[in-house]
Amino acid sequence: EAGVTQFPSHSVIEKGQTVTLRCDPISGHDNLYWYRRVMGKEIKFLLHFVKESKQDESGMPNNRFLAERTGGTYSTLKVQPAELEDSGVYFCASSQDTSGREYFGPGTRLTVT
Amino acid sequence: AQSVTQLDSQVPVFEEAPVELRCNYSSSVSVYLFWYVQYPNQGLQLLLKYLSGSTLVKGINGFEAEFNKSQTSFHLRKPSVHISDTAEYFCAVQVSGGYNKLIFGAGTRLAVHP
Repeated sequence: EAGVTQFPSHSVIEKGQTVTLRCDPISGHDNLYWYRRVMGKEIKFLLHFVKESKQDESGMPNNRFLAERTGGTYSTLKVQPAELEDSGVYFCASSQDTSGREYFGPGTRLTVT
Repeated sequence: AQSVTQLDSQVPVFEEAPVELRCNYSSSVSVYLFWYVQYPNQGLQLLLKYLSGSTLVKGINGFEAEFNKSQTSFHLRKPSVHISDTAEYFCAVQVSGGYNKLIFGAGTRLAVHP
């Protein structure tokens, strides 16, 4: 069974540009989460999808961030326009049940210069 | 609101020595507790979790953690570490029941030296 995959693994963009991160959850997992770790600080929650619906987007930092999950399968996280403080590692996770177990992807390291 | 404090940002230790990584949490409601590990250039991997029941939880790779409700702690231990245990370790909590977000501590870098 394939795990959670994320693309790209690294992205370097200039301030003001747009970047789209993609996450493919484990097949059959209705729950998909995005997290971010900025500059060695704690990993922080961004948002949670249940199938294609946003269950909780309380962690989204501002309206430059747009997450979608069309069809309830893969998800994209777009940052437009990117700012320097958006640099960090973006993790995606998926889960299937209420046991609290989330399966994490390897992350996308975003560098905004 | 919930919060997690990992008391040590870095822990150096010699191979085959015991190690304890400390984690304290704050929550007014019941929570689940987790330890995740991130090896270099890899994603987060679940080490162990406490949902309910026995307060001593055993995980993968010889790690264990003990839930202490009175001290609101969930410290991670291993009696004898290996070089391969060098990684960053994250303690996390989640409000119990349903699909709730994980709240992480800042992480502890464990460096095992020969």
